[in-house]
Amino acid sequence: DQQVKQNSPSLSVQEGRISILNCDYTNSMFDYFLWYKKYPAEGPTFLISISSIKDKNEDGRFTVFLNKSAKHLSLHIVPSQPGDSAVYFCAANDANAGGTSYGKLTFGQGTILTVHP
Amino acid sequence: EAGVAQSPRYKIIEKRQSVAFWCNPISGHATLYWYQQILGQGPKLLIQFQNNGVVDDSQLPKDRFSAERLKGVDSTLKIQPAKLEDSAVYLCASSLVEAKNIQYFGAGTRLSVL
Repeated sequence: DQQVKQNSPSLSVQEGRISILNCDYTNSMFDYFLWYKKYPAEGPTFLISISSIKDKNEDGRFTVFLNKSAKHLSLHIVPSQPGDSAVYFCAANDANAGGTSYGKLTFGQGTILTVHP
Repeated sequence: EAGVAQSPRYKIIEKRQSVAFWCNPISGHATLYWYQQILGQGPKLLIQFQNNGVVDDSQLPKDRFSAERLKGVDSTLKIQPAKLEDSAVYLCASSLVEAKNIQYFGAGTRLSVL
């Protein structure tokens, strides 16, 4: 049972254009969402997050949108740069669970983003 | 600030052999995680420690996998005996207790079981 899904295995975008990466989840208890970026031969690095009390969070070129009713979130990168080429993972957590659940991230399968010069 | 250190980077073994991975978290991070990432999938949490105690090992195949963090700093993950399906990247991560959602990952150990 995959609770976090990234249905697009890959995305190709021209430099300077917008990249939109999508993520869907099924567990209604999830209330904190994160995006991680991974370069080859490196571990994932935290990029941006959003709590379920918000519907948008922005950090420079990166914006995450959350639609709780649709159980959907998206990451927008504007403008896209060749250095953004990486695998992007969506992750979710039930931050209010406390105890053993807090910190237990559930990851999607990842989307490979390629930004062409 | 030094990141999460893992060794070895690569390991090739035959099935039924044993293998161990080592992790040194970021200094001051009391929470440590081991993840398994199979090719084409996202990381899956195997075990979570806080200091030297296990917080969650519900997804650890305990018949063959074991992990310890004896002094609350370094950690080792062991597989004995290994199966073909254990081929994966094993990632270690650490975080502050008060910010467990922001986890910092090491580069991982790529295990190939032949």
